[in-house]
Amino acid sequence: KQEVTQIPAALSVPEGENLVLNCSFTDSAIYNLQWFRQDPGKGLTSLLLIQSSQREQTSGRLNASLDKSSGRSTLYIAASQPGDSATYLCAVGNYGQNFVFGPGTRLSVLP
Amino acid sequence: DVKVTQSSRYLVKRTGEKVFLECVQDMDHENMFWYRQDPGLGLRLIYFSYDVKMKEKGDIPEGYSVSREKKERFSLILESASTNQTSMYLCASSLGSRAQPQHFGDGTRLSIL
Repeated sequence: KQEVTQIPAALSVPEGENLVLNCSFTDSAIYNLQWFRQDPGKGLTSLLLIQSSQREQTSGRLNASLDKSSGRSTLYIAASQPGDSATYLCAVGNYGQNFVFGPGTRLSVLP
Repeated sequence: DVKVTQSSRYLVKRTGEKVFLECVQDMDHENMFWYRQDPGLGLRLIYFSYDVKMKEKGDIPEGYSVSREKKERFSLILESASTNQTSMYLCASSLGSRAQPQHFGDGTRLSIL
């Protein structure tokens, strides 16, 4: 059974720092991996989706990488801003219709 | 943009009541999902549906049922609500038969008293 973990559980950084969020999964036979952002009391907003054949995806200040063989993905956020404060979740897409979610990393960017 | 709409943001019900949570998507997606989210446990899949009138159990289906009579609408039913079903409920939809990007609604925070 696929298990997804995220480290750290919480992170606090000053504005302007570059930072890395980590996601690990136990079964490397994945179809894709998706990173989400969740603001308090809200639903999830999709940030990036990486297919299993890809190594990375970029959108603005965000860059997500995928290393299937080692069961790891990272989300890199450049020049962090207070508006980036949220919980970030990764979700692993198996060879079916659904995803398995990690517990999330709660990010606080201090002005 | 994909729009996934959940009928209520906040809902308060009593133990033993039958509760209906509604979700509608406007992008003709085949797949729809119901999750619950609890502190320390993350998102857990309750049920999903890959077509009209089709449903599959997720990881925690006990105490829940679902209905998908039309492609755009997926309902979650708590047959007899209990206090341990107090949670944030999230609906999502996606296109196609493989793990395609999921689009989420804003969630329903359900309290069972």
